[in-house]
Amino acid sequence: EIVLTQSPGTLSLSPGERATLSCRASQSVSSGFLAWYQQQPGQVPRLLIYGASSRATGAPDRFSGSGSGTDFTLTISRLEPEDFAVYYCQQYGNSPWTFGQGTKVEI
Amino acid sequence: EVQLVESGGGLVQSGGSLRLSCAASGFMFSSYWMTWVRQAPGKGLEWVANIKSDGSEKYYVDSVKGRFTISRDNAKKSLYLQMDSLRAEDTAVYYCARGGGYSYYWGQGTLVTVSS
Repeated sequence: EIVLTQSPGTLSLSPGERATLSCRASQSVSSGFLAWYQQQPGQVPRLLIYGASSRATGAPDRFSGSGSGTDFTLTISRLEPEDFAVYYCQQYGNSPWTFGQGTKVEI
Repeated sequence: EVQLVESGGGLVQSGGSLRLSCAASGFMFSSYWMTWVRQAPGKGLEWVANIKSDGSEKYYVDSVKGRFTISRDNAKKSLYLQMDSLRAEDTAVYYCARGGGYSYYWGQGTLVTVSS
């Protein structure tokens, strides 16, 4: 099983700032099969990025993904008030698919 | 419009069983892998199981192997999760999601509470 470790656990920033979230895998993620989700309190997860760097339909272009192998990054270029949420990475290259433990982006 | 609606959650005693259902609409259900993901109260997301479009392949997280069974009825556009030998640690909101890898569409979830 691939273990995904997200860092930091909590990121305290202000609107307008840049956020950089890390996701490190315990072994290489096949073909860059890595996704990022945003989850607001009490809401369903929302897909932001798939294939490590492809933006999902409807995801704002301030969200970008990068990385390969074992190291992946989600960048939010300028934080908007609605971006304060929990973010999860997920690998779907090796069964069982796994999620990271999440990074909370707070004001 | 794609819709996924879960049902069947509730309160069950440890060792008991529940069957979750997910009714799909707005897309060609028989063409897509489907997935169950769960989230324990206040915790992160955990992938549980997925099933190929024709039901011929099924995969599970180790913690539910031998206890949970994923299935589907393409004629009824429905996905199922039969959960047996339930444990307190299975308490979670269970989401069905479209796709076998990443998922753009998710249901609203159904809460399963296992009392010990």
